Amino acid sequence: DAKTTQPTSMDCAEGRAANLPCNHSTISGNEYVYWYRQIHSQGPQYIIHGLKNNETNEMASLIITEDRKSSTLILPHATLRDTAVYYCIVRDPYGGSEKLVFGKGTKLTVNP
Amino acid sequence: EAGVAQSPRYKIIEKRQSVAFWCNPISGHATLYWYQQILGQGPKLLIQFQNNGVVDDSQLPKDRFSAERLKGVDSTLKIQPAKLEDSAVYLCASSSGLQRSYEQYFGPGTRLTVT
Repeated sequence: DAKTTQPTSMDCAEGRAANLPCNHSTISGNEYVYWYRQIHSQGPQYIIHGLKNNETNEMASLIITEDRKSSTLILPHATLRDTAVYYCIVRDPYGGSEKLVFGKGTKLTVNP
Repeated sequence: EAGVAQSPRYKIIEKRQSVAFWCNPISGHATLYWYQQILGQGPKLLIQFQNNGVVDDSQLPKDRFSAERLKGVDSTLKIQPAKLEDSAVYLCASSSGLQRSYEQYFGPGTRLTVT
């Protein structure tokens, strides 16, 4: 079973920041937080990952709370092409299986 | 860099028939995964290969599903006989397997409809 909880759906206006929350209250010390997204009729796409520090790349920013029990994925200037299902996954990449355990994710709709 | 290739993209079969899916991972990627994604749900891992060996097949319904990766490159997933509940998108993914690479690269998937 997935170890994360996400809202089922969210809406965002084009050009505004999209903030997608994720709860992972049972995360262990070795587990990282990963975000993938899946655009309609495509396979999932990696976005970003982090352990405890905030991370930023060309796609998004990841903010992890100090207690690591929750995180927020930020798309700073959402476009229509960002409409997708966003998955938050916790995983220990250095111990055990490399598999990704997906939940149902958050369906983000970016509106014009 | 070419992505993960899968074929066919769509397949419709009747229950009790057999079907096979093909996947060609990114060149040089040692680890290959097959996921099943039922409508409205996230992908679920069926089987993971490291080169041509099976690492994890705990969620593969072995009475009807089989998979192979004979030369450590491309892979096939077979269902025989198919059931209605096998209707899903079958996704193939690969990763380099080096230093527990965090990125898995997914193909476009094969959409299977069992009638």
